[in-house]
Amino acid sequence: QQPVQSPQAVILREGEDAVINCSSSKALYSVHWYRQKHGEAPVFLMILLKGGEQKGHDKISASFNEKKQQSSLYLTASQLSYSGTYFCGTAPNRDDKIIFGKGTRLHILP
Amino acid sequence: NAGVTQTPKFQVLKTGQSMTLQCAQDMNHEYMSWYRQDPGMGLRLIHYSVGAGITDQGEVPNGYNVSRSTTEDFPLRLLSAAPSQTSVYFCASSYSAGIPRGEQYFGPGTRLTVT
Repeated sequence: QQPVQSPQAVILREGEDAVINCSSSKALYSVHWYRQKHGEAPVFLMILLKGGEQKGHDKISASFNEKKQQSSLYLTASQLSYSGTYFCGTAPNRDDKIIFGKGTRLHILP
Repeated sequence: NAGVTQTPKFQVLKTGQSMTLQCAQDMNHEYMSWYRQDPGMGLRLIHYSVGAGITDQGEVPNGYNVSRSTTEDFPLRLLSAAPSQTSVYFCASSYSAGIPRGEQYFGPGTRLTVT
């Protein structure tokens, strides 16, 4: 039931792009993305609902492929501040609880 | 507006002791939840509540109890602490009307060590 995230970790240089994937073995209603910096609490990035919509703000965007039960988070022209661990959470139904994946560690080098 | 507050920030327990982790929010959020975070395991849901008087189990509920007598407070009780419960515990809340579960606001966390 826990979504699978890939890659587990990635190291980039500032300005490079990154893609983080989240997949589930169950049909999904919603996908939730959070970022956590070391020693801090997770912070909300965005929610995607079934329907294949794509969302984004600033240089971070995400897509949700309902048929493939997958979501991808895109970080464009990464900044040092993007470093942290990214978690996706999924819910199979509208009123269901959110289950998070194990996270993807992103490290941005200057 | 304090958001989500958790107390204590740090706690050391001996095996077999019991304690309550406190969580409070002042945003009138309906949905509240408890997670534990262990290295390499992500955020695992312990218990959650969709409103006062309503609670349900998450992924890893064994050894923990919760209650929700008010909208603001959602305490987590460890009945008989075990070393396997050493972890960082996060409480979160969201306004569940509209988009389900919505944006979850996380508290600063409680770091618990059981010896």
